[in-house]
Amino acid sequence: GESVGLHLPTLSVQEGDNSIINCAYSNSASDYFIWYKQESGKGPQFIIDIRSNMDKRQGQRVTVLLNKTVKHLSLQIAATQPGDSAVYFCAERVGGTSYGKLTFGQGTILTVHP
Amino acid sequence: DSGVTQTPKHLITATGQRVTLRCSPRSGDLSVYWYQQSLDQGLQFLIQYYNGEERAKGNILERFSAQQFPDLHSELNLSSLELGDSALYFCASSGRGTSDEQFFGPGTRLTVL
Repeated sequence: GESVGLHLPTLSVQEGDNSIINCAYSNSASDYFIWYKQESGKGPQFIIDIRSNMDKRQGQRVTVLLNKTVKHLSLQIAATQPGDSAVYFCAERVGGTSYGKLTFGQGTILTVHP
Repeated sequence: DSGVTQTPKHLITATGQRVTLRCSPRSGDLSVYWYQQSLDQGLQFLIQYYNGEERAKGNILERFSAQQFPDLHSELNLSSLELGDSALYFCASSGRGTSDEQFFGPGTRLTVL
């Protein structure tokens, strides 16, 4: 059949606003989660990670929240800047034999307007 | 700059052909991962090598193969290419003894005509 492109969720914000990007993960056995940022024409860039024994982790201008009960991950970006415009991916990892393999979400397009 | 290098940056070839993509991991990283990013499938894990040995396998086609050499660089071989193999191919590497925080290279854009 004919393949179609993924229709990624989009988020548009004004410069200076806070952004929240959400992700539902699939495997309750996942023990490690990462957020990546991908700018056009570049490879994914690590933003922040969190292990399953935590529910919150903060970095510089970013916070990741993990809710294992509903298998939900969110990325909060404070004081969003035009340079934050990119596609954001969450990724999960299951330990054991698949140690190292990351399963990526479909991504969210963030557009920051000056 | 992640420290991971990939060559070539772009590759255009015809159906039925075979290509080799090359990846050099960050200095000291023992693990190398290959991912495929296409418009309809998103970012998909293909295969992982650790210090020369295959560690994990994803949805990698039988027409695809990879290896990691003693100097830790890796090659991804794609054969009997089809139009649907057109995609971005990323290599990532991670640190000694762990698989946390994978650093991605800039990717190779493969176009199959």
